[in-house]
Amino acid sequence: GIQVEQSPPDLILQEGANSTLRCNFSDSVNNLQWFHQNPWGQLINLFYIPSGTKQNGRLSATTVATERYSLLYISSSQTTDSGVYFCAVVQGTYKYIFGTGTRLKVLA
Amino acid sequence: NAGVTQTPKFQVLKTGQSMTLQCAQDMNHEYMSWYRQDPGMGLRLIHYSVGAGITDQGEVPNGYNVSRSTTEDFPLRLLSAAPSQTSVYFCASSYGTGGLPQHFGDGTRLSIL
Repeated sequence: GIQVEQSPPDLILQEGANSTLRCNFSDSVNNLQWFHQNPWGQLINLFYIPSGTKQNGRLSATTVATERYSLLYISSSQTTDSGVYFCAVVQGTYKYIFGTGTRLKVLA
Repeated sequence: NAGVTQTPKFQVLKTGQSMTLQCAQDMNHEYMSWYRQDPGMGLRLIHYSVGAGITDQGEVPNGYNVSRSTTEDFPLRLLSAAPSQTSVYFCASSYGTGGLPQHFGDGTRLSIL
């Protein structure tokens, strides 16, 4: 089946720094979504981005489907950005496959 | 605006007991799904449903049953709990299939002794 790999697995930043998280997938996908899991365990939708670039405040994402990767950019990081970031791809029509996540810690 | 509601939030079971995890959504979403999240891992799909009366298996279906009698509810049943089923369980829903953004419940933390 399709493999979804995220890098780096762990990331520690000073508040105000920028970062780039990467999601690689091994086969063609219909869609891709980025999530943030906060320290309380809640999963928050960030981007639904099968292709192209989207921006939402300090966060932006780019998916290059033909090259099988997606990037999540976090600018001017804040302590509230801490948590785990997951990408999930849709294989076929219905099945989501999640990556193992990037654990981000932002220090004040 | 409740979104996706999961109950209970926490549960401890003994090996061999049965249990139903409840999931309800009030957004009239067609697609609902159950995931489990083990420590340090991403979510793995257990079962999903594309509408009332229609369910199918995901990546890790063994040991779990589901049914979908209404659009709103999608319960997950553990018929005979095993310690390997200790995990955090998430329910999700979306308006359509094909990856339209999924909305997640807050999770059920299940421990099996």
